Amino acid sequence: EDQVTQSPEALRLQEGESSSLNCSYTVSGLRGLFWYRQDPGKGPEFLFTLYSAGEEKEKERLKATLTKKESFLHITAPKPEDSATYLCAVQGSARQLTFGSGTQLTVLP
Amino acid sequence: DGGITQSPKYLFRKEGQNVTLSCEQNLNHDAMYWYRQDPGQGLRLIYYSQIVNDFQKGDIAEGYSVSREKKESFPLTVTSAQKNPTAFYLCASSSALNTEAFFGQGTRLTVV
Repeated sequence: EDQVTQSPEALRLQEGESSSLNCSYTVSGLRGLFWYRQDPGKGPEFLFTLYSAGEEKEKERLKATLTKKESFLHITAPKPEDSATYLCAVQGSARQLTFGSGTQLTVLP
Repeated sequence: DGGITQSPKYLFRKEGQNVTLSCEQNLNHDAMYWYRQDPGQGLRLIYYSQIVNDFQKGDIAEGYSVSREKKESFPLTVTSAQKNPTAFYLCASSSALNTEAFFGQGTRLTVV
């Protein structure tokens, strides 16, 4: 059974204080690892797909990396508008997405 | 604008009643999904469909039913057999099963 664990559950940062969110996973035959951003009461917004260990993707202040056991979402010099819940999901050989519980990020001005 | 439209945004249902949630997409995607999200938990898969007239159960299909008569539409019915239906329901679509999924804005269902 595929499993995804995200840590920490919640993270409070000062504006400009860089940090990383962790996504640990076990999956049979990784087809892809996905990062999403979710604002309260809204649907998740797609950020990145990573397919193989060593791969990196960047978008503005966000950078996602992937190893064989975990993925990191690095946030550089965050702003208050980066506050959201960040979700990680994996797709294995069964082709279903398995989601973690998310990290709730709060960036204080 | 291309996207996924879920309606209604808020829905109230009395116990014992069936209710249908709408999901429409104009992205020309083949695959569509229904997820349930509860506070503090990840998204859990209810049903998914790869092509028209075909769908499969996800991890928590009991008490739910779906249909896929058109490529653009994947409605979800929450039946009276679902013991704890109050939740945030999310519909998603993707061009194929192994590509990124795009989500609608969700329907919040409350049983009163």
